[in-house]
Amino acid sequence: EDQVTQSPEALRLQEGESSSLNCSYTVSGLRGLFWYRQDPGKGPEFLFTLYSAGEEKEKERLKATLTKKESFLHITAPKPEDSATYLCAVYPYSGAGSYQLTFGKGTKLSVIP
Amino acid sequence: EPEVTQTPSHQVTQMGQEVILRCVPISNHLYFYWYRQILGQKVEFLVSFYNNEISEKSEIFDDQFSVERPDGSNFTLKIRSTKLEDSAMYFCASSEAPHEQFFGPGTRLTVL
Repeated sequence: EDQVTQSPEALRLQEGESSSLNCSYTVSGLRGLFWYRQDPGKGPEFLFTLYSAGEEKEKERLKATLTKKESFLHITAPKPEDSATYLCAVYPYSGAGSYQLTFGKGTKLSVIP
Repeated sequence: EPEVTQTPSHQVTQMGQEVILRCVPISNHLYFYWYRQILGQKVEFLVSFYNNEISEKSEIFDDQFSVERPDGSNFTLKIRSTKLEDSAMYFCASSEAPHEQFFGPGTRLTVL
């Protein structure tokens, strides 16, 4: 069974205090790993796709990296507007016609001014 | 920027009633999905739809659920006889290829 575990569950940072969020996964084969941002009461907002170990993607203060067992979302000098829940999802090899994403529970990030 | 839209934003219904949740996917996308998120829990896959048919469904998607693409722009999820445990946020998503799924804002379904 495909599993996605995110840690920590919650993270409080001071504005400007850099940190990393972790997503570890167990899948039979990985077609892709996705990071989403979710604000309260809203839908997941797409951030990044990573396809192979060693790949990195950047967007403003966020950088996502991927290894064979986990992904990290690095947040550099965060601002209060970065406060949200960050979701990791995997797109595994599950046979032809299978397109479902398996999500982790998310990390709730709070950035304090 | 194109986006997925969903209506209504909030639906309140009585147990046993039928509900239809509506979605307008991004116009050039070919793959469509429904997910749900019970309060405080993970986002869970319900069903995917491609080429006018269901390509995959989860165990949650039982005979009470159905999906339809009634025209070239809408994608609907019907729950025939709602139960209390169907209360959740329901998200529609679409993608150009089977990855990088873009999600709508969700419909909050409350079953009383």
